[in-house]
Amino acid sequence: ILNVEQSPQSLHVQEGDSTNFTCSFPSSNFYALHWYRWETAKSPEALFVMTLNGDEKKKGRISATLNTKEGYSYLYIKGSQPEDSATYLCAFIDTDKLIFGTGTRLQVFP
Amino acid sequence: KAGVTQTPRYLIKTRGQQVTLSCSPISGHRSVSWYQQTPGQGLQFLFEYFSETQRNKGNFPGRFSGRQFSNSRSEMNVSTLELGDSALYLCASQFGRGGGRTDTQYFGPGTRLTVL
Repeated sequence: ILNVEQSPQSLHVQEGDSTNFTCSFPSSNFYALHWYRWETAKSPEALFVMTLNGDEKKKGRISATLNTKEGYSYLYIKGSQPEDSATYLCAFIDTDKLIFGTGTRLQVFP
Repeated sequence: KAGVTQTPRYLIKTRGQQVTLSCSPISGHRSVSWYQQTPGQGLQFLFEYFSETQRNKGNFPGRFSGRQFSNSRSEMNVSTLELGDSALYLCASQFGRGGGRTDTQYFGPGTRLTVL
């Protein structure tokens, strides 16, 4: 059974702090890695799809990098805001299905 | 464009009963995947339907089943409910088949099932 690990499990930061978290996945047979953001009482929302080693994607203050050789992806948030508070999930493609990590729960305090 | 809708949003059942959950994908999307989320667990893949056929299945007992209709709407059924089936059930739709690959999956708001 393939495992997708995310760390840390939770994170509390002050408004304005920059933060990052990690997603580790099996480095063999890589197809794609997805990042999702899941706010409480809402649906998970797609952030990025990472496909190539060395990929770097950016959306506003959020960016992500990918290292398929060593099997990890980092998500960075620059200048965190209270509205960034959410659970951030990564998901690895395994034989046509998404395997999700348990997520990093981020709380940003004003 | 309307998003993915799921009904009902909340459901309370007792052990031994069965339940049917419904998912309407985004218009034009042909794939529907179902996931279960329990406390402390990530989203666990249940199954994927594409063009009315189950294309992929996760590690769940046969009590969990589903189907997809010609309009791409999907239903998920759980028979002989157990306490451990209490969870948030999410469905996600995408245009093509196959667990996303590079296609984005769009999630519905989920159905919260409580089994007493």
